[in-house]
Amino acid sequence: GQQVMQIPQYQHVQEGEDFTTYCNSSTTLSNIQWYKQRPGGHPVFLIQLVKSGEVKKQKRLTFQFGEAKKNSSLHITATQTTDVGTYFCAGRPGGGADGLTFGKGTHLIIQP
Amino acid sequence: KAGVTQTPRYLIKTRGQQVTLSCSPISGHRSVSWYQQTPGQGLQFLFEYFSETQRNKGNFPGRFSGRQFSNSRSEMNVSTLELGDSALYLCASSLEPGLTYNSPLHFGNGTRLTVT
Repeated sequence: GQQVMQIPQYQHVQEGEDFTTYCNSSTTLSNIQWYKQRPGGHPVFLIQLVKSGEVKKQKRLTFQFGEAKKNSSLHITATQTTDVGTYFCAGRPGGGADGLTFGKGTHLIIQP
Repeated sequence: KAGVTQTPRYLIKTRGQQVTLSCSPISGHRSVSWYQQTPGQGLQFLFEYFSETQRNKGNFPGRFSGRQFSNSRSEMNVSTLELGDSALYLCASSLEPGLTYNSPLHFGNGTRLTVT
């Protein structure tokens, strides 16, 4: 079926290092959303990208939407312990015929 | 504004039993989605409701059902529980679903279901 794939599954970094997670869809997405889930918490909406090639920044976080609207990435510069959690991308690979489908997430583990 | 409220927070059931989970969306939100979260499978989409109508359904067996009421509150039911149904069930509300622009999902804290 139509899916949203996300890599890597786990990422260990030293505090201060950069981090990137990648998201790919088997079909063109009308838009893509990113969420963060802290350990023991629930997913919290971070941002939505709509336009082809769009780049958005939130402080140390940079989000990109691919030109073909099939892939996206989240890059964190100089990670801090507060960045710990699981980052999910989400989209509707089947358009309106699908519910919002989440990637399996990237677990970010930061070593001080 | 109050967030998404899910009840109960924790449930322990026995195989073969059935369970009903409840979700109250943020005031003014008319769309409610349900997800099953497990360590191995991540967040898996169950249903999406809008204005009392099921808009989308995920790839789950018919034992999983849901509904939405006129006040946008939603319930999901799982019948004939299996051990593999043990999971965190998350409800999320949004203003309304869209095609070119999806309203962000606001998640509740979830119901932790354990089937023994």
